[in-house]
Amino acid sequence: GAVVSQHPSRVICKSGTSVKIECRSLDFQATTMFWYRQFPKQSLMLMATSNEGSKATYEQGVEKDKFLINHASLTLSTLTVTSAHPEDSSFYICSARKTNTEAFFGQGTRLTVV
Amino acid sequence: SQQGEEDPQALSIQEGENATMNCSYKTSINNLQWYRQNSGRGLVHLILIRSNEREKHSGRLRVTLDTSKKSSSLLITASRAADTASYFCAPGAGGGNKLTFGTGTQLKVEL
Repeated sequence: GAVVSQHPSRVICKSGTSVKIECRSLDFQATTMFWYRQFPKQSLMLMATSNEGSKATYEQGVEKDKFLINHASLTLSTLTVTSAHPEDSSFYICSARKTNTEAFFGQGTRLTVV
Repeated sequence: SQQGEEDPQALSIQEGENATMNCSYKTSINNLQWYRQNSGRGLVHLILIRSNEREKHSGRLRVTLDTSKKSSSLLITASRAADTASYFCAPGAGGGNKLTFGTGTQLKVEL
């Protein structure tokens, strides 16, 4: 199957700093990628849809200025958590779909803000 | 998009037994997918069943779909400890639509 690579897998940052998470589709072009966050023992919450060459579409309640998404190429989307605070600590996962079928997910990024 | 609701929320079985989990959804779909998530990892696609299919197999997995009842089931036969994970269904309407997920079924397979 297709491969989606997410980096870093773990990051610890100080409160007030920004963190960038990368999501790459390694063997296919993804015009659309999706970003999720997941709290312990809970489901994935869709944060936004990342569209190549245009602005991301954010889900209700997700702060677009807090979670900056850039989809500069057909194989790369980035999520930047700006001015991170401890409550932003979570597991962030990206995914991409080749067609209208299965989605491929990155390995996830465990963000801890101290 | 719509999310499915998985049932039960948690399931604990012995190795070698079969595990069945169910998914219900609300509106018409083109297909339905099942995913597995191991603790602390991303999701892995297991199987996709189209709306005109009633049953599909993949190795030890068997998926059924009843569009009249808006429900699907995932059966894992001869379970193994490595099957311990959370399982999510994702009803799909086709196109590049986003996928949303319910709370999943947490399966624990004990030795």
